[in-house]
Amino acid sequence: EAGVAQSPRYKIIEKRQSVAFWCNPISGHATLYWYQQILGQGPKLLIQFQNNGVVDDSQLPKDRFSAERLKGVDSTLKIQPAKLEDSAVYLCASSLGSFGNEQFFGPGTRLTVL
Amino acid sequence: GEDVEQSLFLSVREGDSSVINCTYTDSSSTYLYWYKQEPGAGLQLLTYIFSNMDMKQDQRLTVLLNKKDKHLSLRIADTQTGDSAIYFCAEFYGNNRLAFGKGNQVVVIP
Repeated sequence: EAGVAQSPRYKIIEKRQSVAFWCNPISGHATLYWYQQILGQGPKLLIQFQNNGVVDDSQLPKDRFSAERLKGVDSTLKIQPAKLEDSAVYLCASSLGSFGNEQFFGPGTRLTVL
Repeated sequence: GEDVEQSLFLSVREGDSSVINCTYTDSSSTYLYWYKQEPGAGLQLLTYIFSNMDMKQDQRLTVLLNKKDKHLSLRIADTQTGDSAIYFCAEFYGNNRLAFGKGNQVVVIP
């Protein structure tokens, strides 16, 4: 079974530029999550989708971050414009459902904002 | 609240046991998890425990839960070099959210 795929693996941009990350979840997984992991910290949930609907985006900085999952499969996370403090690893995860189901994580995209 | 605390670093000799601790704040958490993160990789679920259990054993892993003190621990028996990683505990909330601790880096010395 293929795991969660993410691209790119690494991205370096300058502050105020825009960046987008892509995630392809495990086939058949209805729930998709985006996490932000700052160096030395645990992952923090940014947004959770159930199929193509948003379940929880309470911790997403909506003035600069946006995410979509139009067809209920792949998802993109965008930052526009980026700030220095956005430097982190952005992890995508998916699960069959949302309550108590194991979340499977992708390898992440490491973003460096200069 | 979502405040999961972990100690930061542990070094252990190969073959010894490792114990990683975690405290959490929400007594209503239904599941508590341990995840492993190797360098450059995503998180891998190691094991979990239901909140109505005190202990769970899974091969070399033993999870202990003290609900009164909101304390969770993970013991790894016969630690191997492949166990070198960062270990995160996480609470599952009723709103379908996972709250992670800051992680504990384990370094296994051959």
